[in-house]
Amino acid sequence: AQSVTQPDIHITVSEGASLELRCNYSYGATPYLFWYVQSPGQGLQLLLKYFSGDTLVQGIKGFEAEFKRSQSSFNLRKPSVHWSDAAEYFCAVGPNDMRFGAGTRLTVKP
Amino acid sequence: DGGITQSPKYLFRKEGQNVTLSCEQNLNHDAMYWYRQDPGQGLRLIYYSQIVNDFQKGDIAEGYSVSREKKESFPLTVTSAQKNPTAFYLCASSRSGGAAGELFFGEGSRLTVL
Repeated sequence: AQSVTQPDIHITVSEGASLELRCNYSYGATPYLFWYVQSPGQGLQLLLKYFSGDTLVQGIKGFEAEFKRSQSSFNLRKPSVHWSDAAEYFCAVGPNDMRFGAGTRLTVKP
Repeated sequence: DGGITQSPKYLFRKEGQNVTLSCEQNLNHDAMYWYRQDPGQGLRLIYYSQIVNDFQKGDIAEGYSVSREKKESFPLTVTSAQKNPTAFYLCASSRSGGAAGELFFGEGSRLTVL
């Protein structure tokens, strides 16, 4: 079965700084890749997804992610973090039986 | 409004009891999923179903059972065989088994074993 590794359990960045969250996947074929965000007390919301085509995908809230097949990675980036971005972020790989990483908790310093 | 409804939101159970968590969707999605969320472990797949009357085990199916008799419904039973059932459970659905796009999640059910 496919699997996802998110190497960073917790990241702290200052408001206005750039952000990169790492995601590595294991999948035998072309993966379907997703990033979700879970804010405290809220459900999971899809930030962006990659199926095929352009390896740089844009999502909601100013996030983007780049698919790198050679590195089996799908890292999430944002050029300038806002305090409201504090949340837990999950990378997932599909299709069909979707697997999630353990998550990265983002803290934003004022 | 279309969406996924999980009930109950909170549930307390005594050891040795089976409990069933409800998941209903009105999105006309073919696929439905159950995940368990524990702190530091992300979401772990329990069971999934891509069509009615068919389902597959995920990574942590032991101690759980499901049924898919209707397209709209995918209940999860946490049996007494589950050694550590206290957790947050999330139900999700998607079109065409996930290949078409995102998972839509319910608000979750928090189970506590006393």
